Amino acid sequence: GAGVSQSPSNKVTEKGKDVELRCDPISGHTALYWYRQRLGQGLEFLIYFQGNSAPDKSGLPSDRFSAERTGESVSTLTIQRTQQEDSAVYLCASSFVSSGRGDTQYFGPGTRLTVL
Amino acid sequence: AQSVTQLGSHVSVSEGALVLLRCNYSSSVPPYLFWYVQYPNQGLQLLLKYTSAATLVKGINGFEAEFKKSETSFHLTKPSAHMSDAAEYFCAVIPNFGNEKLTFGTGTRLTIIP
Repeated sequence: GAGVSQSPSNKVTEKGKDVELRCDPISGHTALYWYRQRLGQGLEFLIYFQGNSAPDKSGLPSDRFSAERTGESVSTLTIQRTQQEDSAVYLCASSFVSSGRGDTQYFGPGTRLTVL
Repeated sequence: AQSVTQLGSHVSVSEGALVLLRCNYSSSVPPYLFWYVQYPNQGLQLLLKYTSAATLVKGINGFEAEFKKSETSFHLTKPSAHMSDAAEYFCAVIPNFGNEKLTFGTGTRLTIIP
């Protein structure tokens, strides 16, 4: 079946511009996660959705970052007034449930964001 | 807070040799543990996970990992390396008290020498 998809695959923007990154989870998956992978660093958790509510936003690095999710489908991560340090690969993942028992998260291919 | 340490940011092994990638976690309570693989320009793919059942976990592509509570380790092994195993490998943890977010190690890049 179809996996997690993300768009665009690459995004180049100028410092100060706003960007929107999109994630389509696997159909039927109720939980959705955003992570960031900066060059030379590990993967960082950003935010987690259960349905369309976000119980954990603790990883969002600043108020320039926001995310929303429509029902149990598409999610959008928005970065306002982008800075060069926002350059990274943004990864989305989904899981069938969030039972708190180590549910497998399935990852999309990522969006590579470059801020000039 | 939970953390994961991967020893060795780069590991090189000869084709056909044993692959051993190390992962240690910090927790007084055994968490859920995962190994993911990332091939160039691709997303993360789950290799295997430990969820408090059998301590020896078998995954895809011939990989396996053993959970050792006494050593707080979850090392990844494969008896015989193949060229297609060249990739970056990430160990990750979810605490077992309901937190859903994966905390990742810094990754180990595996190179296979022909």
